[in-house]
Amino acid sequence: RKEVEQDPGPFNVPEGATVAFNCTYSNSASQSFFWYRQDCRKEPKLLMSVYSSGNEDGRFTAQLNRASQYISLLIRDSKLSDSATYLCVVNGGNTGFQKLVFGTGTRLLVSP
Amino acid sequence: GAVVSQHPSWVICKSGTSVKIECRSLDFQATTMFWYRQFPKQSLMLMATSNEGSKATYEQGVEKDKFLINHASLTLSTLTVTSAHPEDSSFYICSAFKREGSYEQYFGPGTRLTVT
Repeated sequence: RKEVEQDPGPFNVPEGATVAFNCTYSNSASQSFFWYRQDCRKEPKLLMSVYSSGNEDGRFTAQLNRASQYISLLIRDSKLSDSATYLCVVNGGNTGFQKLVFGTGTRLLVSP
Repeated sequence: GAVVSQHPSWVICKSGTSVKIECRSLDFQATTMFWYRQFPKQSLMLMATSNEGSKATYEQGVEKDKFLINHASLTLSTLTVTSAHPEDSSFYICSAFKREGSYEQYFGPGTRLTVT
């Protein structure tokens, strides 16, 4: 079983739509959780950290459910520029807090 | 945000040759840097953790004699792919760990290696 699992997609949505991505992780000792965005042939860029209480940054909302080992990302009012691959990333547990484990990513395509 | 650079951004080399990739933290000191590899349509896979002034720690399945890592200063880590083969063709990305503030990892722009 992969440490971090995501639906690879692609998710094809029209502009203005709301879309949600889910992710599960296997290491119950994991301590930090993130969503990164990766554009084609580019490095990943931090989108937002994910906290147990849930957090929101503009159109983006992230949720963490430690009991179910489940992380989600909600994007409201999708823009064309949101088209990218969204990586669920987990850090920590007994492997060391600095090491990041990446999911394979969920590809989002926003069309006009 | 902090800046991490990589050089070269892309390289084509012949099978059997060695290639050195540099990773620099431009505006902060990084005692720890990480090297990742990403094959097409796959996730980033951690290859090794590079520690300034000490030996790198390699992930399971990564050959330390093939992927030589040197972290000689607080702002520079190098990855040398020795005796490269076509299966080493990949996107190599480094990240630098910033201990202040958000404790975030900052990624370099990546190096695309093609071995012919």
